[in-house]
Amino acid sequence: GENVEQHPSTLSVQEGDSAVIKCTYSDSASNYFPWYKQELGKGPQLIIDIRSNVGEKKDQRIAVTLNKTAKHFSLHITETQPEDSAVYFCAASITGGGNKLTFGTGTQLKVEL
Amino acid sequence: EAQVTQNPRYLITVTGKKLTVTCSQNMNHEYMSWYRQDPGLGLRQIYYSMNVEVTDKGDVPEGYKVSRKEKRNFPLILESPSPNQTSLYFCASSQYRDGSYTFGSGTRLTVV
Repeated sequence: GENVEQHPSTLSVQEGDSAVIKCTYSDSASNYFPWYKQELGKGPQLIIDIRSNVGEKKDQRIAVTLNKTAKHFSLHITETQPEDSAVYFCAASITGGGNKLTFGTGTQLKVEL
Repeated sequence: EAQVTQNPRYLITVTGKKLTVTCSQNMNHEYMSWYRQDPGLGLRQIYYSMNVEVTDKGDVPEGYKVSRKEKRNFPLILESPSPNQTSLYFCASSQYRDGSYTFGSGTRLTVV
């Protein structure tokens, strides 16, 4: 089955700096890659996603890049703010694959003032 | 408000006492799923459902049951809970077949 690895497990940045979280996946058939943000005491929330026919996608301060050949994808957050502090999860799935979403182990991002 | 509602939020129970965690969504989504979250392991899928009466196992189904008798509800049943099922559980639903889920707020279960 699919295996998703995520790095780093913790990341501390200064407010205003950029943050990058990286994930690799094992199943070349995976074609949908969402990113979720989980704040303390809440469920994960979808913040951005990318499909395998696209190499990059941006939404304001966040962007995701995908390298299908290398089977890795990354989340980039620019101009970080304290409210970006949370746990971020990457995930991978195969559209039509029974809705099975495999998650990475999460990155605790801390944005320091 | 579009949401996935889980109950209860917190539950402490004893080994072997059957329990049900309820999950309901008001978005008319076809796809629903249960995940458990454990430190260092991320979220792991327990069961998922693609429609009424259609369910299948995820990565960690042992010790759990589900049912999907109505589109909006997807309860998780632990017939004989054990301490290794102590975890944070999330129900999620999706309109699409790719796994773009809306998650509930979670149920923290402790089995003693």
